[in-house]
Amino acid sequence: GAGVSQSPSNKVTEKGKDVELRCDPISGHTALYWYRQRLGQGLEFLIYFQGNSAPDKSGLPSDRFSAERTGESVSTLTIQRTQQEDSAVYLCASSLTGGTNQPQHFGDGTRLSIL
Amino acid sequence: DQQVKQNSPSLSVQEGRISILNCDYTNSMFDYFLWYKKYPAEGPTFLISISSIKDKNEDGRFTVFLNKSAKHLSLHIVPSQPGDSAVYFCAASNFGNEKLTFGTGTRLTIIP
Repeated sequence: GAGVSQSPSNKVTEKGKDVELRCDPISGHTALYWYRQRLGQGLEFLIYFQGNSAPDKSGLPSDRFSAERTGESVSTLTIQRTQQEDSAVYLCASSLTGGTNQPQHFGDGTRLSIL
Repeated sequence: DQQVKQNSPSLSVQEGRISILNCDYTNSMFDYFLWYKKYPAEGPTFLISISSIKDKNEDGRFTVFLNKSAKHLSLHIVPSQPGDSAVYFCAASNFGNEKLTFGTGTRLTIIP
């Protein structure tokens, strides 16, 4: 399809394990964002990639969280030594150029459950 | 510190009537505002946006109003349809800081 694609759609894992979440942005979109939504809350910014610039990591909640992006394509969000408070829906979005006045288009998210 | 607030967690409106969803913000640096609609188990879908240089933007049944002095925006949906039942999020950003700051959402239910 032409939208943002995320995998897996659901992930259940034990506390302490590492998880890797994947995002395929819309083709041609240079900007890519990761957000998370905890139960009953709004979306919380995690990290932003724009082209070859250094990513904006200001939203990452701890050093257990990291993300990479290969060029202007796929991105992976990695959470090491998962904790129960990491349980959330992790959403990826992309936009054409990343500037303001550019709407971000979201994938359907990965629902992460930490047991 | 909740910079974008949606004070009504839920709203029910009769089909065919107008739905009005409200959003307040505290950061005067915000200059771009968006509304997203979210169905269960799906990602948010972009609906409509407005730049701070405008006070109104229309797209079909959806109109967004911005009152900068009150730091308030609203989304009007008219006429409301059953397919409009969803959670609506407002979001904001400011020039040079592309991340979106979201409100906590309002669940809109359209009653047939």
